Amino acid sequence: SQTIHQWPATLVQPVGSPLSLECTVEGTSNPNLYWYRQAAGRGLQLLFYSVGIGQISSEVPQNLSASRPQDRQFILSSKKLLLSDSGFYLCAWSVLLGFDEQYFGPGTRLTVT
Amino acid sequence: AQSVAQPEDQVNVAEGNPLTVKCTYSVSGNPYLFWYVQYPNRGLQFLLKYITGDNLVKGSYGFEAEFNKSQTSFHLKKPSALVSDSALYFCAVRHFTGGGNKLTFGTGTQLKVEL
Repeated sequence: SQTIHQWPATLVQPVGSPLSLECTVEGTSNPNLYWYRQAAGRGLQLLFYSVGIGQISSEVPQNLSASRPQDRQFILSSKKLLLSDSGFYLCAWSVLLGFDEQYFGPGTRLTVT
Repeated sequence: AQSVAQPEDQVNVAEGNPLTVKCTYSVSGNPYLFWYVQYPNRGLQFLLKYITGDNLVKGSYGFEAEFNKSQTSFHLKKPSALVSDSALYFCAVRHFTGGGNKLTFGTGTQLKVEL
């Protein structure tokens, strides 16, 4: 069966520090991969998605970037964190070009101080 | 543009009573609709989806949803609510774009089931 992992689970970082969040998927090949941010426990905002290695689509201009160095690895990064980057970051995967649902990881709670 | 709306921020229901969480959609073409549930500090869990076919879709944990094309709605329902159903529920609609499978989510409805 497929599983999706995210780490770390929680992170407290000072303003101006770098960020690296990692997401990995097991048990499937060539997945679509997604990064979302959830602010204030509510709405989900799609940040990035990827349909293959090295391919990244950005949904909104911001202080973050994403990379996909391997088929089942998706990384969210920042060079200098802002207070507004605080939130709950969720990674998800889906079958490539399918009609299937997205499956979400457990999330990373980021607090920028 | 594809969108979904969840008109209620919170729904309160007594345990054992039926529950409904509302969702309306706006899409061009055929809608592909989903319901997810989120427990505190957890990722989203898939409940059910409508792609085509029967308007009544059955999903996980006894939930079902009714697709209504004339009313552009996709309400989530359960015949008998449990306290453990208390959580945040999201409706979502699928986009087709650049080969990707993107979802746009509603703002969420907090369901509170009380004894």
